[in-house]
Amino acid sequence: AQSVTQLGSHVSVSEGALVLLRCNYSSSVPPYLFWYVQYPNQGLQLLLKYTTGATLVKGINGFEAEFKKSETSFHLTKPSAHMSDAAEYFCAVRSYNQGGKLIFGQGTELSVKP
Amino acid sequence: EAGVAQSPRYKIIEKRQSVAFWCNPISGHATLYWYQQILGQGPKLLIQFQNNGVVDDSQLPKDRFSAERLKGVDSTLKIQPAKLEDSAVYLCASSQRTGGSNSPLHFGNGTRLTVT
Repeated sequence: AQSVTQLGSHVSVSEGALVLLRCNYSSSVPPYLFWYVQYPNQGLQLLLKYTTGATLVKGINGFEAEFKKSETSFHLTKPSAHMSDAAEYFCAVRSYNQGGKLIFGQGTELSVKP
Repeated sequence: EAGVAQSPRYKIIEKRQSVAFWCNPISGHATLYWYQQILGQGPKLLIQFQNNGVVDDSQLPKDRFSAERLKGVDSTLKIQPAKLEDSAVYLCASSQRTGGSNSPLHFGNGTRLTVT
């Protein structure tokens, strides 16, 4: 069975500092991996996805993530945090041999201090 | 393109009452998902439709939850009777294809249910 673990339920950074949100996955088959962001009282918005090919994936709002098969990781980074980045972030793995359902991690809340 | 529409946005009911949520997916999206998001947790899949057929309902509490997607477009999710632990945000999502596809899921804004 596939699963996702996000390390740290809360991360706090200063404005302008590096953002690093950690995600590790478990999958018996090559996975599709996603990062979603959720602002208060809103649905989830896709930040970026990894399917095949280049392991460094760039997304919206300056975020990027690197797929590392040897470490079963897909950490999300942004060089310089902005106040508007404060939100909940979810890592997810897609199971294409189980009907394609998306399995989410428990989420990491990002706070950005001025 | 218009996004995934959900209604209502908020609902407060007493335990043992019934409630229904409605979802209209993005036009042309064959696959529709209902997720339950309890406060502080990631979304959990309740049911997945491919057109009007059920692909996965393994985590749907079938003694109280039901869902349908007539005509393969709109969908409704019903809870009857509701329990306190059903308090959560119910998210609807849609995608163009399923199984073997990297089509991303597009989410609605959700319905926040409070059971008192």
